[in-house]
Amino acid sequence: NAGVTQTPKFQVLKTGQSMTLQCAQDMNHEYMSWYRQDPGMGLRLIHYSVGAGITDQGEVPNGYNVSRSTTEDFPLRLLSAAPSQTSVYFCASRVLAGVTGELFFGEGSRLTVL
Amino acid sequence: GENVEQHPSTLSVQEGDSAVIKCTYSDSASNYFPWYKQELGKRPQLIIDIRSNVGEKKDQRIAVTLNKTAKHFSLHITETQPEDSAVYFCAAPIEGGSQGNLIFGKGTKLSVKP
Repeated sequence: NAGVTQTPKFQVLKTGQSMTLQCAQDMNHEYMSWYRQDPGMGLRLIHYSVGAGITDQGEVPNGYNVSRSTTEDFPLRLLSAAPSQTSVYFCASRVLAGVTGELFFGEGSRLTVL
Repeated sequence: GENVEQHPSTLSVQEGDSAVIKCTYSDSASNYFPWYKQELGKRPQLIIDIRSNVGEKKDQRIAVTLNKTAKHFSLHITETQPEDSAVYFCAAPIEGGSQGNLIFGKGTKLSVKP
């Protein structure tokens, strides 16, 4: 199993550009989520999904969109990038939704917005 | 909603000493408290977790204690080694855990000096 795979690992954007961060997991996990990590701020939840076709907002959803058309994939879209979105983004999944347990993280995607 | 405070933000110890990191939470309904370790440039990984029906859990050199009355939980690392150097994050469920989403503390950077 590859676990949770994120692409790209690094990306530089100009303000106003759009892009999609890809996340895929091969563990048949029901729950998937996106976090952003900024220095001194810990990990903050952006969006999450409890199953295919179901998504919801986390703590810091503004400026981001998500979709979950399959169990495996959970892409994060930035429609109009802003410098405040410069961060490291982590996708994470868990076996069951609505039940606490271990979160499996991807390797992260470092995004810089100029 | 839930709020998690983590202290200290940095901690430096000599190899072989013990390290203690403390987190407080606000939602008395929270029932699951994990700790994640993130080495430099790597993904966060679960090292230990505790549920509200127990007061302490140990795994070799690491232990977590939970005080539900005072609403705090702590990570204890004994006989520290250089490879324990990392950032440690505590977490607690958002919304009492109905969706299984986690809110993370801001992290503690532990440095173990040989």
